[in-house]
Amino acid sequence: AQSVTQLGSHVSVSEGALVLLRCNYSSSVPPYLFWYVQYPNQGLQLLLKYTSAATLVKGINGFEAEFKKSETSFHLTKPSAHMSDAAEYFCAVSVGTGFQKLVFGTGTRLLVSP
Amino acid sequence: GAVVSQHPSWVICKSGTSVKIECRSLDFQATTMFWYRQFPKQSLMLMATSNEGSKATYEQGVEKDKFLINHASLTLSTLTVTSAHPEDSSFYICSARAGTSKVFGPGTRLTVL
Repeated sequence: AQSVTQLGSHVSVSEGALVLLRCNYSSSVPPYLFWYVQYPNQGLQLLLKYTSAATLVKGINGFEAEFKKSETSFHLTKPSAHMSDAAEYFCAVSVGTGFQKLVFGTGTRLLVSP
Repeated sequence: GAVVSQHPSWVICKSGTSVKIECRSLDFQATTMFWYRQFPKQSLMLMATSNEGSKATYEQGVEKDKFLINHASLTLSTLTVTSAHPEDSSFYICSARAGTSKVFGPGTRLTVL
């Protein structure tokens, strides 16, 4: 069964520092992978998605993620953190065909200090 | 872009009452919508898949008689929590498929006293 594992429930960085949020997946078929961001008391906003095209995926707000099949990873990065990036980030894998179901990781809270 | 709305954004009710939550796709048609539940500081758990004009498909462990789902039109799905209890207090989020992406609503926070 498809699943994702997010390492680290909390990640703290200084403003301007590199952001790295880790996600490893498990899938018996080529996966479709997603990163979502959730601000307090709000729904999820799609940051980026991998759907078997380019392995380096660029998303909104300067985020990008690289699909590495050999490492079964889809880590999220941003070169320079901004205070507004502080939020909860979820990695997800699509289960089945047609993007019908998403299985989410447990989330990583990004804290950005001045 | 595609937008999904939810109403209400928050609701407080007494134990034993029923609460209806609406999920609307504002500028696109959604034959399929999804309902998730998120407990504090936890991830989203899929509760059910709502299909327009047919019965919803519930995930294992979700009581279909307690969480009634109706998808009567291509832009509206409703989730009714029947006989709500404090343990049903949670953040309920719906989503709809728009092309190759899922668009999520802003969520509804339910508090059962």
